[in-house]
Amino acid sequence: DVKVTQSSRYLVKRTGEKVFLECVQDMDHENMFWYRQDPGLGLRLIYFSYDVKMKEKGDIPEGYSVSREKKERFSLILESASTNQTSMYLCASSSGLAGGGAKNIQYFGAGTRLSVL
Amino acid sequence: GQSLEQPSEVTAVEGAIVQINCTYQTSGFYGLSWYQQHDGGAPTFLSYNALDGLEETGRFSSFLSRSDSYGYLLLQELQMKDSASYFCAVSSYNTDKLIFGTGTRLQVFP
Repeated sequence: DVKVTQSSRYLVKRTGEKVFLECVQDMDHENMFWYRQDPGLGLRLIYFSYDVKMKEKGDIPEGYSVSREKKERFSLILESASTNQTSMYLCASSSGLAGGGAKNIQYFGAGTRLSVL
Repeated sequence: GQSLEQPSEVTAVEGAIVQINCTYQTSGFYGLSWYQQHDGGAPTFLSYNALDGLEETGRFSSFLSRSDSYGYLLLQELQMKDSASYFCAVSSYNTDKLIFGTGTRLQVFP
C-alpha cells in the first residue's frame, strides 16, 4: 500500500514563526503536492514538485515555499506564519506523467491541522 | 481558466441512490476523477473516466460526457458509511496536476 506520512497531525504556532510541514512517501513517486483545504473552498494547490529540487507554483503560493532535497520527502515552509494560514494542509504524491489514458491517482496523507495564533 | 462546479451538499436515506454532478471548464481536458474524504480523513481515490460512458466499481459508478463537459458519481444502496465529502477533479494533458472541485458533502440518514 502507498503510504504518505505527514509529520504532525496538529500544530499550533504563533504569528511570525517559521513553520515546517514535512511529508514523506514510500512509493518512489516522482510527483509530490501540497494543498490547503478550507471549508467551502475545496483543495487548493500550493506547490507541486515533479522531481528532486524541481518545483512549480500552484494556485496559492504566496507566503509559502517548498523544499525537495530527496525524492521521498517534500517540505512546506511558512516563512513567517500569519493567522490567515490557519488551515488543514494535505500532502499528496503520484507517479510520473500519466499519458496514454492511464489514471493519475494522487495518494494523500492524513493532513496537518495548523493553527496560527 | 479552469473551473469545476459541484453541489455543496446532498442528503439521502440508507438504501437510496444518489447522483453527484460535476461540470467543468478546462483546456486540454484529459480525464475526470472522483475522491472520497471522510471527516478527519485523507481524500482517497474512487474512480476515473477518460472516455465517455459509465464506469462501475461495486456500488459506485462514474459517468463522463466529454461533449457536455459533465460527469457524475452515482452511489447505489447507500450506507451510513458513505457519509463523506466527494470531490471531482480534472486532469489535463502534459501535467500531472489535478484541479479539484470544492466538494459535495453527502449525508446519509437512517
